[in-house]
Amino acid sequence: ETVLTQSPATLSLSPGERATLSCRASQSVGSYLAWYQQKPGQAPRLLISDASNRATGIPARFSGSGSGTDFTLTISSLEPEDFAVYYCQQRNNWPPVTFGQGTRLEIK
Amino acid sequence: EVQLLESGGGLVKPGGSLRLSCAASGFTFSSYAMTWVRQAPGKGLEWVSSISGSADSTYYADSVKGRFTISRDNSKNTMYLQMNSLRAEDTAIYYCAKEEQWRQRLMDVWGQGTTVTVSS
Repeated sequence: ETVLTQSPATLSLSPGERATLSCRASQSVGSYLAWYQQKPGQAPRLLISDASNRATGIPARFSGSGSGTDFTLTISSLEPEDFAVYYCQQRNNWPPVTFGQGTRLEIK
Repeated sequence: EVQLLESGGGLVKPGGSLRLSCAASGFTFSSYAMTWVRQAPGKGLEWVSSISGSADSTYYADSVKGRFTISRDNSKNTMYLQMNSLRAEDTAIYYCAKEEQWRQRLMDVWGQGTTVTVSS
């Protein structure tokens, strides 16, 4: 099973700041890594597919990078609605599909 | 508009059974693989099971294999998750998700979830 480790567990930033979230895989997942955003009481929402492709309707301030085992989600300038939990997910080595444990992005 | 609506959750005793449903609309249901993902209270996301558009392929997490069965009725635009021998650790919100047509296990639309509680 491919284990995804996200860091940090919690990130405290202010609106307007830049956020950098990390996801590391226990083995190569190629570029088959996605990022999801989840707000309290809501379902997850797809942000980024295949490491760097923004999903439909996702603002340009969200960007993804990486390949193999190391990936990054960057939010260039935080908006109030961006404070949420972010999960990475790999679909290269399945079953099982695996998710990271999440990074909570909170307002400082 | 693509929509997914889960139903069938509830309170069940350990060892009991439940059947979850996911009603889909706004897309050609039979053309898309579908997936169930769950989230235990205060925890992260866990993939549970996936099914191909034609229902000829199914996949399960080890934690549910032999106890859960995924299926779909394309004439009703509905996917199901039959859950037997339920355990306390199956307590979670269960989300159904639509996969992208040409990228397996990439979930681009999610339902709002249905809550399953396993407790005596």
